[in-house]
Amino acid sequence: AQSVAQPEDQVNVAEGNPLTVKCTYSVSGNPYLFWYVQYPNRGLQFLLKYITGDNLVKGSYGFEAEFNKSQTSFHLKKPSALVSDSALYFCAVRDSPSNDYKLSFGAGTTVTVRA
Amino acid sequence: DSGVTQTPKHLITATGQRVTLRCSPRSGDLSVYWYQQSLDQGLQFLIQYYNGEERAKGNILERFSAQQFPDLHSELNLSSLELGDSALYFCASSTYRGGTGELFFGEGSRLTVL
Repeated sequence: AQSVAQPEDQVNVAEGNPLTVKCTYSVSGNPYLFWYVQYPNRGLQFLLKYITGDNLVKGSYGFEAEFNKSQTSFHLKKPSALVSDSALYFCAVRDSPSNDYKLSFGAGTTVTVRA
Repeated sequence: DSGVTQTPKHLITATGQRVTLRCSPRSGDLSVYWYQQSLDQGLQFLIQYYNGEERAKGNILERFSAQQFPDLHSELNLSSLELGDSALYFCASSTYRGGTGELFFGEGSRLTVL
């Protein structure tokens, strides 16, 4: 079975400081890993994904994520956070190979960036 | 805008009633997924359809059912509603090209059961 864990319910940072949102995964095969962001009263928006190749993945809005196979982690990072980055962030995984394409999501991490 | 359309955006109903949520996937996407988001359960996968056929089932209650029509839109039917069914219901679609594709989510249908 595939699963992800987001160990922090909340992350608080000051604007301009680095932002890190943690995610660890568990799969039986090779992981396909995703990050999504949800703003209040909105749907989930895709940020980035790791499929294979370079362990550092760059995505939308200046976000990037680092895949670490030995630590089974896929942490989301942003070098300089903005107040507008305040939102709910979800990590998700799909096991490969797989007979279906559903994503399993973590519980989410609420990010608050203070001015 | 993800290209996935969900209606209605908000729905308020009473316990014991039945509702239908509708989803139109992105143009060209053959797969539709339904997720339920609640405060206590997080984001839970309910069911997936591909080109009209059920592909995967998650934590979907027997009181809930879904289908995907020939024009690829999907409906999620919730019956004998209980207070605990109050949640945000998301539809997502994907191209079903291998396992690498991301899902594109609609804005959700917020269901309130009173």
